[in-house]
Amino acid sequence: DAGVIQSPRHEVTEMGQEVTLRCKPISGHNSLFWYRQTMMRGLELLIYFNNNVPIDDSGMPEDRFSAKMPNASFSTLKIQPSEPRDSAVYFCASTHDSGGALIFGPGTRLTVL
Amino acid sequence: EDKVVQSPLSLVVHEGDTVTLNCSYEVTNFRSLLWYKQEKKAPTFLFMLTSSGIEKKSGRLSSILDKKELFSILNITATQTGDSAVYLCAVEEYGNKLVFGAGTILRVKS
Repeated sequence: DAGVIQSPRHEVTEMGQEVTLRCKPISGHNSLFWYRQTMMRGLELLIYFNNNVPIDDSGMPEDRFSAKMPNASFSTLKIQPSEPRDSAVYFCASTHDSGGALIFGPGTRLTVL
Repeated sequence: EDKVVQSPLSLVVHEGDTVTLNCSYEVTNFRSLLWYKQEKKAPTFLFMLTSSGIEKKSGRLSSILDKKELFSILNITATQTGDSAVYLCAVEEYGNKLVFGAGTILRVKS
């Protein structure tokens, strides 16, 4: 099993640019989570999906952030326009809702200049 | 508001020492408690606990849950420098929502 796959692994962009982060969950998992991690705030849940449907997006910071899950094997997190305070590591994680550990992807390190 | 509190925030020990990390929680619909180890990359799964009083072990690591007092501990015996990491506690609610604590930074000195 390839695990949770995220791309890109690193992204450096300028303020105001659009950023799209991608995630492929583990095959068979039906819950997908987007987290953001910073030194100041730790791991924050942004949004999670169950069976491709967004269940809780209360952690999405503001309208600049949006997430989609068009099918069971792909999700995107988009930031438009990006700001320096969005700089963080963004993790995607997946699990099955019948129980089981949440498995994290390797993360995308985003730097907004 | 749901919360997960870990203590201590950081800890420095010498190789061979035993450490105990604490996690207390307040969540509405508890389903399970998970421990993760995070080095310089993504968190990696250690344990999932759902029942009180049943110890889970993996090598030098062990963990137990007390659902009455709402806490869990993670023990590491005979610590090694490779145990240096951030240890994260997370509580899963029904509906899959996972709430993470701030983590305990463990540094094991040789």
